[in-house]
Amino acid sequence: SQKIEQNSEALNIQEGKTATLTCNYTNYSPAYLQWYRQDPGRGPVFLLLIRENEKEKRKERLKVTFDTTLKQSLFHITASQPADSATYLCALGDNYGQNFVFGPGTRLSVLP
Amino acid sequence: NAGVTQTPKFQVLKTGQSMTLQCAQDMNHEYMSWYRQDPGMGLRLIHYSVGAGITDQGEVPNGYNVSRSTTEDFPLRLLSAAPSQTSVYFCASSYSGTGSNEQFFGPGTRLTVL
Repeated sequence: SQKIEQNSEALNIQEGKTATLTCNYTNYSPAYLQWYRQDPGRGPVFLLLIRENEKEKRKERLKVTFDTTLKQSLFHITASQPADSATYLCALGDNYGQNFVFGPGTRLSVLP
Repeated sequence: NAGVTQTPKFQVLKTGQSMTLQCAQDMNHEYMSWYRQDPGMGLRLIHYSVGAGITDQGEVPNGYNVSRSTTEDFPLRLLSAAPSQTSVYFCASSYSGTGSNEQFFGPGTRLTVL
């Protein structure tokens, strides 16, 4: 069965630094990879989507890479701020709508 | 637009009781789904629907029933609650269930089964 791992359960970084979160997967060949943000007590909110034939995607301070050979995605937040503190989830999807899978998430804390 | 709404926000049940978690969306999305979220395990898919009248099982369907009589509504029924069903439940919708579309989530229902 598919398995998704995210680098660590929690990650602490200093304000202003770049946060890098990792998503690794096995037994899956996703057509898409998505990243979501979840704040305590709330539902996940979509951030970015990257396709299997794309290497990198950017949106403001966010950057996502997707390496289908390594079966890995990296999610970067540059110039991090305390307001970026949240849990970040990666998710894999296909073209058929039957196999959308989430990773366990990484809780990011940006310290002032 | 209200997006995806869920009721109730909190619920406490006794073992063996049944209840229905409500979910509605006003975005005319064909795809709707239910997830449960437990510490360290991420979001696990319970049931999903690709349109009115069509439902299918996800990763963890046992103990839950769904129906989809309209595009807007997708209720989740717990038939006989068990302590193992203590969790946070999220409803989500998207244009389609493929990875090319973002999913919109509701605020969640925190369920405790005693």
